[in-house]
Amino acid sequence: EAGVTQFPSHSVIEKGQTVTLRCDPISGHDNLYWYRRVMGKEIKFLLHFVKESKQDESGMPNNRFLAERTGGTYSTLKVQPAELEDSGVYFCASSQEARRQGPWEQYFGPGTRLTVT
Amino acid sequence: EDQVTQSPEALRLQEGESSSLNCSYTVSGLRGLFWYRQDPGKGPEFLFTLYSAGEEKEKERLKATLTKKESFLHITAPKPEDSATYLCAVRGRSGGSYIPTFGRGTSLIVHP
Repeated sequence: EAGVTQFPSHSVIEKGQTVTLRCDPISGHDNLYWYRRVMGKEIKFLLHFVKESKQDESGMPNNRFLAERTGGTYSTLKVQPAELEDSGVYFCASSQEARRQGPWEQYFGPGTRLTVT
Repeated sequence: EDQVTQSPEALRLQEGESSSLNCSYTVSGLRGLFWYRQDPGKGPEFLFTLYSAGEEKEKERLKATLTKKESFLHITAPKPEDSATYLCAVRGRSGGSYIPTFGRGTSLIVHP
């Protein structure tokens, strides 16, 4: 079974440019999450999709970030325009339909390292 | 606000030298404590979920335990391939439905 995949693995862009990150979750996983890790800090939640709907986007830093999940399959995270502080590693994770008792096991992709210069 | 503190930040062991990693947490109504392993250039890999104080789980040389304030990841007779960053995360009642709060991790290096 294929795991969570992310594209690109690395992206270097200039301040003010636009970047789109893509995540393909494990087939059949309704839940898709985006996280970000800034250098030296912990992984931080950005948002959560259940199928194509945004369940929680409380972690999105500001309106320069736009996430979509087309047809409940893959997801994109667009940053427009990018700022220096957006640099970091963006992780995507997926899990099966949530059950009341968990276990809420999330499977992470390898991440996209974004560098804004 | 949920908080997770992991210690030590870095740990160097000789092969076969057992030790423990600590994860201290504050959370409103624990709904799960998670341990992940992360190798360089890869995403976190799920290891364990613990739900209540006193619970223990094992996987090969790893054993995770949980109290009301902290969790330990015990590594018995580690091997070089156990070298990785180990992440702890919690989910509490105050958080969103499926949002874990992560610690910064413990970087473990096991020398042969």
